[in-house]
Parts: sequence; C-alpha cells; structure tokens
Amino acid sequence: DIQMTQSPSSLSASVGDRVTITCRASQTINTYLNWYHQKPGKAPKLLIYAASSLQSGVPSRFRGSGSGTDFTLTITSLQPEDFATYYCQQSYTYPRTFGQGTKVEIK
Amino acid sequence: QVTLRESGPALVKPTQTLTLTCTFSGFSLSTSAMCVSWIRQPPGKALEWLALIDWDDDKWYTTSLKTRLTISKDTSKNQVVLTMTNMDPVDTATYYCARYNTLETWAFDYWGQGTLVTVSS
Repeated sequence: DIQMTQSPSSLSASVGDRVTITCRASQTINTYLNWYHQKPGKAPKLLIYAASSLQSGVPSRFRGSGSGTDFTLTITSLQPEDFATYYCQQSYTYPRTFGQGTKVEIK
Repeated sequence: QVTLRESGPALVKPTQTLTLTCTFSGFSLSTSAMCVSWIRQPPGKALEWLALIDWDDDKWYTTSLKTRLTISKDTSKNQVVLTMTNMDPVDTATYYCARYNTLETWAFDYWGQGTLVTVSS
C-alpha cells in the first residue's frame, strides 16, 4: 500500500497569512494526488485534483503543485473559513489512501 | 444536482454484521467512469478509505479489512451497500459514501453527510 505522509500535523496561522502544507507519497504517484478540507462535523470537500487542478467553485487562493512523490497545497491568503483539517489522497493505485491530516488553527 | 445519503444502524453490538446503504441521485452507476466508495473516520482521527465499486461492477477493498468487507450495488435503486462483518469497538466511526469520478477528477467529488456507527455491547 502507498503511505501518504503530511507535514506539519498542525499549524497556527492568522487571517491573511500564506500557508503551505506538504504531502509525501511512499512511492511515485505521478500527479494522482487530491486535496480535501474538512470542517468539524462536516463531510470532506474536494479542493484540488490531479495535483494542481482547482475543483469547480473552489477559490483561487488554493493552489496545488508537485509530482512524483512530493506535493504541496498552498493557501495564498488564509481566510476565516479556511480554518479546517486538510487531507491529501492518492488515486494512483488501489487501495486508495489518505494522509493523516493537517489541522489549520487560528493563531 | 448530485447528492448521496448514508443510512444504517447507529448502534451495533460487537461481533455483529454492519450493513450500510448509500442512496444517491444526480448520476447513475451504469454510466461509464462513475464509482461509489465508502470512507470512514473514527472520532478525532483521520479518514480511512474502505471500498469502491465501479460502473462495471469491479470492486476494490482496503488491505487490512478485505476479509470483512463486501460492497455491492443496485443500479435500478441508485444504491450501494457496504457490509462489514465481526464488528468491534475500534470500528466506531462516521461512515461516509462518496462519488468517485474517473472521467474528470479521479477524486471523491461529492460526499454524503456521513452516519455515525457506534460499536458497543
């Protein structure tokens, strides 16, 4: 199985900050990497697919990059509604796997 | 408009079999590239992918639970059913069903609200 490792596990940031979350795969997954965020008590929501494609309706402040084994999600200017937990997920092979999550908290 | 909704028991006893149903609308599982998956999340923990069924009735399971899981579909009812045998308290989690789109995103693009299943005697 492909292991997905996110860093950091949590971070504190202020509104307007630039935030970067990293996801590393245990083997190459080309660009088969997706990003989601989840607010407490809610279902996850797809933000980025295929490493860098913005899902319809998602604000352009969310940017994804990377290929192979190393990927990055950047929020260019953190907004109040962005405080949530973020997950990466690989779609390269079965079983599909998620990272352990990165919690973005208010500083 | 794509929607999914999970249904099933809120409480099961250890050793029992859990049966969850995902009822969806806005797409068809007889359409090429459409799939439905189950994902769970123990309280305060990360998402765990469980199983997926595609339009062609191919099925995939997570490695650690493969022997306990069965996924099936009823295309005429727009439903996908997940069964998990021999339930244990560690299986307490919110269970989500989600659409998996292999035509555009290769991602879980629509999710149900989730259903909390507690395993306790």
